Amino acid sequence: SQQGEEDPQALSIQEGENATMNCSYKTSINNLQWYRQNSGRGLVHLILIRSNEREKHSGRLRVTLDTSKKSSSLLITASRAADTASYFCATVFYNQGGKLIFGQGTELSVKP
Amino acid sequence: SQTIHQWPATLVQPVGSPLSLECTVEGTSNPNLYWYRQAAGRGLQLLFYSVGIGQISSEVPQNLSASRPQDRQFILSSKKLLLSDSGFYLCAWSVGIPQHGYTFGSGTRLTVV
Repeated sequence: SQQGEEDPQALSIQEGENATMNCSYKTSINNLQWYRQNSGRGLVHLILIRSNEREKHSGRLRVTLDTSKKSSSLLITASRAADTASYFCATVFYNQGGKLIFGQGTELSVKP
Repeated sequence: SQTIHQWPATLVQPVGSPLSLECTVEGTSNPNLYWYRQAAGRGLQLLFYSVGIGQISSEVPQNLSASRPQDRQFILSSKKLLLSDSGFYLCAWSVGIPQHGYTFGSGTRLTVV
């Protein structure tokens, strides 16, 4: 079964607005990662947050992690049409070959 | 620099035909390698992973198999394709405990007809 569940499944906003995507996971983690996938393309790593971190920033991205609630959120500020993509959270199982298990993803549409 | 190559980009195969998808990594040694499948509009499902030559772990029972004949080569195969094998196949690699995430190939879109 998938490790993570994401909410919402789809999100449509206007350019300039902020987009927030949430992810919940089931087991203890070492780190949680967020990836972006443009339609029909491979995944691109966005940001990694460790279990002892609560918040991390990278450009217009802000990720939070709440290990007590087993949840994370990805905030994209001042969104652009080019941010239109699917976004996935993923957790790593280091004792199983480092396999990365993904949530179902959020499909973000940013309208110009 | 480290790169990952995956081919072909698209493939249309008849039911019952064999399959061989190849993934190669450059610029690193002893990577962990992964095969994922993504159905339309869905998340990624891990199919196989490998921590070394000849070492394959299967995540889900299915019509597919994987092999790692060389350190930086990962092959996904099937003897007889089913319609349900259609999907987007992605290869990925990591080394040790990654600081900056995993690297994915550009994917193969497989349509079984």
